[in-house]
Amino acid sequence: EIVMTQSPATLSVSPGERATLSCRASQSVSSNLAWYQQKPGQAPRLLIYGASTRATGIPARFSGSGSGTEFTLTISSLQSEDFAVYYCQQYNNWPIFTFGPGTKVDIK
Amino acid sequence: EVQLVQSGAEVKKPGESLKISCKGSGYSFTSYWIGWVRQMPGKGLEWMGIIYPGDSDTRYSPSFQGQVTISADKSISTAYLQWSSLKASDTAMYYCARLQGIVATSPGDYWGQGTLVTVSS
Repeated sequence: EIVMTQSPATLSVSPGERATLSCRASQSVSSNLAWYQQKPGQAPRLLIYGASTRATGIPARFSGSGSGTEFTLTISSLQSEDFAVYYCQQYNNWPIFTFGPGTKVDIK
Repeated sequence: EVQLVQSGAEVKKPGESLKISCKGSGYSFTSYWIGWVRQMPGKGLEWMGIIYPGDSDTRYSPSFQGQVTISADKSISTAYLQWSSLKASDTAMYYCARLQGIVATSPGDYWGQGTLVTVSS
């Protein structure tokens, strides 16, 4: 099973600042990597797939990069609605699509 | 509009059985895989397994194999997750998600609202 790790566990950022979240896979997942946002009491929302493609309706301030085992989600200028937990997920190792433990982005 | 609507919250006792549902609409239900995800209280997301409603091909994550059963009824565009004997440790929010592409190696692009299952004596 591929193990996903995320860092940091918590990221404290001021509105308007840039946030950089990291995700690492225990073995290569090619570009089969997604990022999700989850707010309290809500279902996860797909932000990025294919490591760098924004899902429908996702603002351009969200961007993804990386391939293989190292990935990054960048939020260029944090808005109040962006404070949430972010999960990465590999979907390369079918049918076991493991998630990372999540990074909580909170207000500094 | 693509929608996945899950059944309502459940409160059960240990040892009881349960079947929760996820009804898809706004797309060809038989052409996309459906996945199930567990989220225990205050914890992260765990991938449980997937089903292809077109032919009911089902795969499980090793951690959930033998613990739950995933099924689907394509005639009513509904996927199911069931337990034969619940444990307190099954207390969690359960989400269904449609896999984005018609190939199995896809992320979940549409998610149900979640079904909270509480198991307590």
